[in-house]
Amino acid sequence: QKEVEQDPGPLSVPEGAIVSLNCTYSNSAFQYFMWYRQYSRKGPELLMYTYSSGNKEDGRFTAQVDKSSKYISLFIRDSQPSDSATYLCAMKIGETSGSRLTFGEGTQLTVNP
Amino acid sequence: DVKVTQSSRYLVKRTGEKVFLECVQDMDHENMFWYRQDPGLGLRLIYFSYDVKMKEKGDIPEGYSVSREKKERFSLILESASTNQTSMYLCASSSNPGHKNSGANVLTFGAGSRLTVL
Repeated sequence: QKEVEQDPGPLSVPEGAIVSLNCTYSNSAFQYFMWYRQYSRKGPELLMYTYSSGNKEDGRFTAQVDKSSKYISLFIRDSQPSDSATYLCAMKIGETSGSRLTFGEGTQLTVNP
Repeated sequence: DVKVTQSSRYLVKRTGEKVFLECVQDMDHENMFWYRQDPGLGLRLIYFSYDVKMKEKGDIPEGYSVSREKKERFSLILESASTNQTSMYLCASSSNPGHKNSGANVLTFGAGSRLTVL
């Protein structure tokens, strides 16, 4: 069983829709949670970073962590065609350099104009 | 504005060839990483390095080696390429907490090197 599970999609939505992307995990020691966005033929780039449980908002993006359920989400409001990309969740136990990231498989999202 | 540069975007090699993938970062980061990315498997860590001349095995080091002679450069070496090493290879770097460029120790990735082994 993978430590981090993420539905690979593909997910296709119309422009303006609210998008919900999710990951579940099994290791309760994870404390730091990230979402990366990867455009086609590019490397991943950090989108959101949260510590422990709770919500974090940045413009149209909201990251949510529920440690009791071992479940994290990324919400995209008013989705745009430019949001079309693969979204990867990632998490780690500590903040030190010795703490390695564990990635989900990534969800491929297409926003249709 | 490119901060992590991977020298080759696309490579085609033959089985048994030695392959070098080069990565350079200009952010003075201490930590550097090599991942491979495959459909259905996601990102898997091959090797990483916390300091010059230092290396640690990741989750899938078999068939690979690395070299870090300078802080800014981290090379991935395939001693004898095989077809199952056809993949997208991603280099990344990160700083330690407290670093002047620290972003909470998050990874900055290069654009990737797509390797095909025939």
